[in-house]
Amino acid sequence: DTGVSQDPRHKITKRGQNVTFRCDPISEHNRLYWYRQTLGQGPEFLTYFQNEAQLEKSRLLSDRFSAERPKGSFSTLEIQRTEQGDSAMYLCASSLGQGLDNSPLHFGNGTRLTVT
Amino acid sequence: EDQVTQSPEALRLQEGESSSLNCSYTVSGLRGLFWYRQDPGKGPEFLFTLYSAGEEKEKERLKATLTKKESFLHITAPKPEDSATYLCAVQGVQGAQKLVFGQGTRLTINP
Repeated sequence: DTGVSQDPRHKITKRGQNVTFRCDPISEHNRLYWYRQTLGQGPEFLTYFQNEAQLEKSRLLSDRFSAERPKGSFSTLEIQRTEQGDSAMYLCASSLGQGLDNSPLHFGNGTRLTVT
Repeated sequence: EDQVTQSPEALRLQEGESSSLNCSYTVSGLRGLFWYRQDPGKGPEFLFTLYSAGEEKEKERLKATLTKKESFLHITAPKPEDSATYLCAVQGVQGAQKLVFGQGTRLTINP
């Protein structure tokens, strides 16, 4: 168990640029989640995959955000035309489960995005 | 809409001074309440899951309890290494796989 891996750890970009983050979940986990966390707040749900299918998206996920998990393994989160309000820690998590079970999420250490 | 409120926002204790953190929640049918620990610059680390009122879980100096409206994280004789932000989250029947987090309690244990 090597844990959830996220890359890069830090990203600084100029407003209007596109950025992409990568998440590698724990290998046997079929569920993958993206959350966003700002300073002094708890994580906010963005989206969730079961295998390669994106099953749930938050209203927070504007059309500038897109997430993929093409082969049910790693995932990418892309933000187009970044805005200063996108500055946050982007957390990826994974779990193993079926149906309505609620096995705990295992989080990566996040990608910190700063938009200047 | 599911909501979680944690109190206090910040807590400073002396080493060995026991205390409790509170997590109040409203949820449309509780499927699980989760406690996580988060160190600066790191992702949340899973501590406990509680499923129903009256349930308790323990791990080292931490004990989590659950009622129908709130959960407590009791910390007994804390050490400086227990300093972290403690996050509470709920999963409701309407939210499918989504966790709703509180804002966290920042705990500092002074030696």
